[in-house]
Amino acid sequence: DAGVIQSPRHEVTEMGQEVTLRCKPISGHDYLFWYRQTMMRGLELLIYFNNNVPIDDSGMPEDRFSAKMPNASFSTLKIQPSEPRDSAVYFCASTPQGGVGTQYFGPGTRLLVL
Amino acid sequence: DAKTTQPTSMDCAEGRAANLPCNHSTISGNEYVYWYRQIHSQGPQYIIHGLKNNETNEMASLIITEDRKSSTLILPHATLRDTAVYYCIVRATTSGTYKYIFGTGTRLKVLA
Repeated sequence: DAGVIQSPRHEVTEMGQEVTLRCKPISGHDYLFWYRQTMMRGLELLIYFNNNVPIDDSGMPEDRFSAKMPNASFSTLKIQPSEPRDSAVYFCASTPQGGVGTQYFGPGTRLLVL
Repeated sequence: DAKTTQPTSMDCAEGRAANLPCNHSTISGNEYVYWYRQIHSQGPQYIIHGLKNNETNEMASLIITEDRKSSTLILPHATLRDTAVYYCIVRATTSGTYKYIFGTGTRLKVLA
């Protein structure tokens, strides 16, 4: 299995631009999580999906952030417009339903907003 | 979900056992203890989990006290590649959410 796949691995953009991060979970996993990691705030859960449905988006910082999961094998996290304070590493993780909850993380997308 | 408390950092000599403590004094009866680690710039990696009994796998051992208020992750023979941030997380598997709350973790440095 290829594991959780994220793209791009690195993104540099200018303030005000739209940024789209992509995630492909492990096949057969029913849960998908988006995290953000910064030095100041550590690893924070932004949103998670179960069977493509958003369950808890209480960690999404503001309306500039949106996430979708159009099918079981693809999710996007979009920031529009981006701001310098959005600079962080964004991780995607997945886990199968009915298991013990072990989350499998992708390699992350390192975002820098200038 | 119960909160956890871990030391900020620890050092360990290469080849020696690394013992990482975690306090979870408010843990509930249905909450598991999970350990993850994050090697610099990589995604967190699952290590081990347990409920009541001690557990061992190819990576580590997990010792949970009888009252379940604390636990220790043991890396039996630490190597330089074990240098990472180690996170202790408790989560109720009956909650149906599989939601983790990561704390600040313990930064383990293995010294040559």
